[in-house]
Amino acid sequence: GQNIDQPTEMTATEGAIVQINCTYQTSGFNGLFWYQQHAGEAPTFLSYNVLDGLEEKGRFSSFLSRSKGYSYLLLKELQMKDSASYLCAVSLSGTYKYIFGTGTRLKVLA
Amino acid sequence: DSGVTQTPKHLITATGQRVTLRCSPRSGDLSVYWYQQSLDQGLQFLIQYYNGEERAKGNILERFSAQQFPDLHSELNLSSLELGDSALYFCASSVSGSGLYNEQFFGPGTRLTVL
Repeated sequence: GQNIDQPTEMTATEGAIVQINCTYQTSGFNGLFWYQQHAGEAPTFLSYNVLDGLEEKGRFSSFLSRSKGYSYLLLKELQMKDSASYLCAVSLSGTYKYIFGTGTRLKVLA
Repeated sequence: DSGVTQTPKHLITATGQRVTLRCSPRSGDLSVYWYQQSLDQGLQFLIQYYNGEERAKGNILERFSAQQFPDLHSELNLSSLELGDSALYFCASSVSGSGLYNEQFFGPGTRLTVL
């Protein structure tokens, strides 16, 4: 079967750094996406990893290890507006399907 | 604003009824995806269309069906509705239907409540 695991909830302080982990077991892999979703709103794209290593985009970075089935999203200099759910998603090779994790709800405290 | 539009924004109906959700993709995007998100649940992939043809099917119930029209807008039809079908239904679009780098842009969603 296809499975993506993420922590359900995390809490961090404004200005700090937080790492959100994602592990996946899927049959086939084309790439891994991270999306941000504020409560009641649509998900918005944050990052995409297809090769092993770190992708940096401003305050957000995402890391992938294909051999370990592992990714993380790193958020630096946290701001209150970063309070949201962060969804890890895998694009499956050969099927055009996408599998989403249940998301990690991040609370940023002042 | 992602450029993807969905109507209606809210829908309240009764069990056993049938509803149609509509989605217009971003200009130039050929692929449309439908997702269901229940309370405290992740996004469940339902179905994908690419340029009018069904490309991939996920956990879509037989009571649900979809299509993509020549102008690329898509409709998701939900019939014999049950209480458990209450959820947020998102449509997303992307340029291609490929599984490789293929960022999806999500619409604002339709919140369906079945009473």
